[in-house]
Amino acid sequence: GQNIDQPTEMTATEGAIVQINCTYQTSGFNGLFWYQQHAGEAPTFLSYNVLDGLEEKGRFSSFLSRSKGYSYLLLKELQMKDSASYLCAVRDRDYKLSFGAGTTVTVRA
Amino acid sequence: IAGITQAPTSQILAAGRRMTLRCTQDMRHNAMYWYRQDLGLGLRLIHYSNTAGTTGKGEVPDGYSVSRANTDDFPLTLASAVPSQTSVYFCASSDSYEAGELFFGEGSRLTVL
Repeated sequence: GQNIDQPTEMTATEGAIVQINCTYQTSGFNGLFWYQQHAGEAPTFLSYNVLDGLEEKGRFSSFLSRSKGYSYLLLKELQMKDSASYLCAVRDRDYKLSFGAGTTVTVRA
Repeated sequence: IAGITQAPTSQILAAGRRMTLRCTQDMRHNAMYWYRQDLGLGLRLIHYSNTAGTTGKGEVPDGYSVSRANTDDFPLTLASAVPSQTSVYFCASSDSYEAGELFFGEGSRLTVL
C-alpha cells in the first residue's frame, strides 16, 4: 500500500506563491497526481508526473523526485478562487490510486 | 452535460437498512471506482471495476458490494448500514485503469443513524 503525507493546512496572500509538499512510500510507483477540490464539490484533475522533473501548466506546476519519494505542487499568482483542498495521489504497480488526506489552502486578500 | 451522475445527492438512513448509491457515466469509460471521503482521512478506495463484468476490492471494501453489468452503471450497495459508513461517497471513472485522470461525480452524502 501507500503512505502519503502532506500538510493539513496552508495560508497565503493573494498574488503570492504557495508550495504544497507531498511525500510518499509505495510498493511500486506508477505515477503521482494532484487534484483540486473546492469545498462541497468533486475533486478535479490538476497534474500528473511519472518522470522526475517539473511539469508546468499555467499558474500551477508540479515537481517529482522518485528517488526521494517527494513531490510538490506550486501555485503562483494566487487568486481567491484557489482557496481549496489539494490532494496528492500516488498510483502503485497495480494502477490503484491512493490519496493523501489533502492540504487546505486559504487565500487571504 | 457529459460526465458522471450520482444519486441520491444526500440521504439519511437508519442503521440496519439496505441502501444503493447509483452511479452512471456517459463517457464510455472502461474503469469505474467508488471512494469514500472522511475528514482527516482523505479519499479511500472501496471497490473498482476495470471493465464491464469485472470488479475488485479496494482499501476499505467491508460492508459494501458493487456490480458492473454494463459500461455505464456502477452501483454501490450497503447491505446493512452502520453508523461508521456515514461519509461522502464519490463515484469516479477513467478511460482505462491505466489512465491516471479520474473524473468524479458530485458525491453522495450519506448519514447512518
